[in-house]
Formats: sequence, C-alpha cells, structure tokens
Amino acid sequence: DAGITQSPRHKVTETGTPVTLRCHQTENHRYMYWYRQDPGHGLRLIHYSYGVKDTDKGEVSDGYSVSRSKTEDFLLTLESATSSQTSVYFCAISEGGAGDTQYFGPGTRLTVL
Amino acid sequence: AQSVTQPDIHITVSEGASLELRCNYSYGATPYLFWYVQSPGQGLQLLLKYFSGDTLVQGIKGFEAEFKRSQSSFNLRKPSVHWSDAAEYFCAVAHENNNDMRFGAGTRLTVKP
Repeated sequence: DAGITQSPRHKVTETGTPVTLRCHQTENHRYMYWYRQDPGHGLRLIHYSYGVKDTDKGEVSDGYSVSRSKTEDFLLTLESATSSQTSVYFCAISEGGAGDTQYFGPGTRLTVL
Repeated sequence: AQSVTQPDIHITVSEGASLELRCNYSYGATPYLFWYVQSPGQGLQLLLKYFSGDTLVQGIKGFEAEFKRSQSSFNLRKPSVHWSDAAEYFCAVAHENNNDMRFGAGTRLTVKP
C-alpha cells in the first residue's frame, strides 16, 4: 500500500469554525489531490498540487484553500466551515499528472453541525 | 467538460455469477479511463486503466474492461463473482492535458450467497 496518511480521521465541528485536514505521504510523489465524496456524486476534485507551492483548483474549490510547503504534506483548509461541507475527504497522490494512477488515503469523515 | 455516467446505482448478483458494470463517458478526445473499487470504510484502489492500444484491459482480482469508442463506454466485467467482490465501484475519466479527473457516482455491488 502507498504510504498515505490522513489526519484527523474523524472530526466534528461547528458552523463557522476553521478546519484543517492534513495529508502526509512517504512516496515522494509529485502530485497530490484533495477530493470530497458525497452520496450520488462519487468523488469530486477540490484542489490539487503539482509541486511544492504549486496548486490549482478542481471542480468544487469554492470555500476551500490548500497549501503545500513540503513535498510530503498537503493541507486542506475550510476557512469557515458550513454544513454543506459535511463529507468524507480523500487525499490521493500520483507520480505523474493527468492519467497517472492515483493512490488514495483512508479518508477523513468531517461533520459540520 | 468531461463527465462519467454509471447508470446502475446498485446491482445484486449471486456468488459465482457473471458481472458487468456499465460506464459511459463524455469527452471529445480519447480519454484515459479507470475503474476503482472501494470497500466499506476504505479508500479507493485501482482495478485497471486504459490509455491506448488493446481495447480489452485486464486488471487485478480477475476483472477486465473493454473500451468501445463508438459507444463511449468502458464496461467492467468479471466472469465469476466472489463474495469478497462486494464493494462500490467507480469509473473515472481523465485527459492528458487535464488533471481534473472525473468520477462517476458509483455502483454498489451486493453479492448473494
């Protein structure tokens, strides 16, 4: 299994509070991704990174920001959490970009009350 | 924009029976196509992928998929299903110039004894 960890694995928070999720990899892969998974929608890309300090938006980026200061860490921040951001969040990594195999972390279940 | 449709939300098959999960995509150019599997509470694992060449692709766990350009389809098949195949299956599409991989909504597979 690819060395990907996500923290925390579960979090309950209140509307309006900031939340940061962390993805850590030990594979030295260049690309890292954040997805959210919701019933009926599959996985949707939030943001991705193609190198340290290099990030770009995905399909559902509104309300989220990301940062990557080291190759191994990719942070997802909800500046002011809303109930619509209740979801399961997955981090993924890949060596190359589009079309390369993505390896997924175990997920973080976030509940915003 | 590229999109993926999995027409079947839930499929039930008997153990030992054959399986076909449908996937249709919408994209102008030849896409990169993937099938991922997700066991309950887990991240996603790649089953197989198609980039070019032979349109019949073999994957792990005895799965295969066939790319049919004329039908814009990439259906997943397995000749004999095992109880351990019960999971959710996601079809995904990407393109060489676009890191925004799009997933279908998923098909949940139940295997009857």
